[in-house]
This record gives sequence, structure tokens and C-alpha cells, in this order.
Amino acid sequence: GQQLNQSPQSMFIQEGEDVSMNCTSSSIFNTWLWYKQDPGEGPVLLIALYKAGELTSNGRLTAQFGITRKDSFLNISASIPSDVGIYFCAGQNSNSGYALNFGKGTSLLVTP
Amino acid sequence: EPEVTQTPSHQVTQMGQEVILRCVPISNHLYFYWYRQILGQKVEFLVSFYNNEISEKSEIFDDQFSVERPDGSNFTLKIRSTKLEDSAMYFCARLLDRYSNTEAFFGQGTRLTVV
Repeated sequence: GQQLNQSPQSMFIQEGEDVSMNCTSSSIFNTWLWYKQDPGEGPVLLIALYKAGELTSNGRLTAQFGITRKDSFLNISASIPSDVGIYFCAGQNSNSGYALNFGKGTSLLVTP
Repeated sequence: EPEVTQTPSHQVTQMGQEVILRCVPISNHLYFYWYRQILGQKVEFLVSFYNNEISEKSEIFDDQFSVERPDGSNFTLKIRSTKLEDSAMYFCARLLDRYSNTEAFFGQGTRLTVV
């Protein structure tokens, strides 16, 4: 599959700080999605982006679909302890049966 | 959003044995996927299943894997002759809508341990 580079690999922040993570790809995607995974659980969808340049918010989360369609970022504002987890970006194309191509994840730790 | 239900939640099997992992959709979805996640690694696509047949499959999905929907409800992943490296979390996912909204929702997963 297409290689996704997700960074940073991990983040250790204090409660209240803002967080930013991003994904880049060598090829384009039609859709970018961001998931959060807690230990032992399945990935939970946070935000889906369908148009290049699209900026979408979900509460304290904001994500953007890069204009080149090869990148996306996720911002979390005013982090809280329950934001702890692993965040994955995923790219999707219709010509691959909408299968998701995941990044390697960003592990977020938030201290009170 | 309604999820898919996966059974069992955890399965331990001996190397060389066959295992069947099950996914029960909440409603009559048409588009299903199996993914796996080796401990500490990213989620990897295995196979997509549309209208009761395989739509796409990855290089990981070799001859030891098979999928079917035998009774029109349960969606199963069979692994023949399991290997140690098959130990992973296996996730079933369903697509919300193939045309206007292609968001994928995941089940809670089955943790497969091959010993």
C-alpha cells in the first residue's frame, strides 16, 4: 500500500496545551480520516475529510485536508487527560475499494 | 454510531490450528473489511468484502486466509494452520455508505494469540 508518514511518533504534554500532529503521503488520497485508539480497543473515528483544503472541527479537534491531497493535520486544543491514546491518520481511495491505509500513529500522553 | 460486534474478544490457539473470527453487523450492511494490528504497530488492511464477495485484498491476505458470510448475517475470517506471527488484534469494520459517506467504523476487535 501507499506509505503514510505520521509525526510525531509520540508526544508528552501538560493538560491545557494544544497538540498538533500530521500525516504526509507520496501519493494522493480522496479521503483522509483521523482515528483515536485506546488500549485494547478498536479505532474510533474522530474526523473525516473529503475535499482538498477542507477544514473540519469536532469539538476541540480540528483537522485539515491538504490542498495537494497528500497530507493532513490534526490539532487538539486545550488537551485534557482523557485525550490520552494513540491517534492514527488514514488515507482512502475509491479505486482501492475504500480500504484504509493507516499511518503508524502518534502516541499522546497528557499529564494533569 | 452503531458498531459491529466481534466474537470472541480473545482467542488462544495452538500453532497449526484453524481459527474462525466472527463479525456481526448491527444492521444489514453490505460493505465489510478485516484489518489486523500486530501489538504496537499500525492497523493493516487485509480484505474488503462487498455484496458477498471479495472486493480487494492485501498482500497479507494469502491462501491461509478466507472470508465468507455463510448465513447472510455473520461475517467470518478464517485462518487455516495458524502461525506464531498471526498473533494480533483483528478488527472488523463496516462502511457507512459507499457513495456519499465512506467512513469506516470498527468493532472492538478479537485478540488472537497463537502459542
